Amino acid sequence: AQSVTQLGSHVSVSEGALVLLRCNYSSSVPPYLFWYVQYPNQGLQLLLKYTTGATLVKGINGFEAEFKKSETSFHLTKPSAHMSDAAEYFCAVSDDWGGKLIFGQGTELSVKP
Amino acid sequence: NAGVTQTPKFRVLKTGQSMTLLCAQDMNHEYMYWYRQDPGMGLRLIHYSVGEGTTAKGEVPDGYNVSRLKKQNFLLGLESAAPSQTSVYFCASSYLNYEQYFGPGTRLTVT
Repeated sequence: AQSVTQLGSHVSVSEGALVLLRCNYSSSVPPYLFWYVQYPNQGLQLLLKYTTGATLVKGINGFEAEFKKSETSFHLTKPSAHMSDAAEYFCAVSDDWGGKLIFGQGTELSVKP
Repeated sequence: NAGVTQTPKFRVLKTGQSMTLLCAQDMNHEYMYWYRQDPGMGLRLIHYSVGEGTTAKGEVPDGYNVSRLKKQNFLLGLESAAPSQTSVYFCASSYLNYEQYFGPGTRLTVT
């Protein structure tokens, strides 16, 4: 069965610092991988996705993630945090059929001025 | 385009009451999903549908029923609400197994 593990339920960074949110998955087939962001009292919004091809994926708001098959990881990064990045971030995996997503537990990102 | 909309936004129920949550999408997506979000547990799939007239169970289907009579609508029903069903419910839709688009959520409290 597929599963997703996000290391750290809460990450705090200073404004301008590197953001690194970790995601590891398990899947028996080549996965589709996603990062979603949820701002307070809102639904989830897609940040970026990996389906096939280039393993470094760029998303919105300056975020990017790299698919590393050997490490079964899909970590999310942003070179310089902004106050507006404060939100909850979810990593998700989908198998090759049906589009069902398995979500990680979420990581809440705080950005200090 | 409104995207994915959910009705109602908030609801308080007493134990044993029933209700239906409505999800509507205007993107002509085949697939629709219902999730619940609880603190520290991410989103868990309740039921999903891969087309009009079809539904299937997800990870946590007990206590819920769904119907997809029209392609654009996906209804989630609670026949006899329990306090354990207090949660935030999200609907999503997608074109096949591409990215899912989420609604704004329904906050349900069962007392």
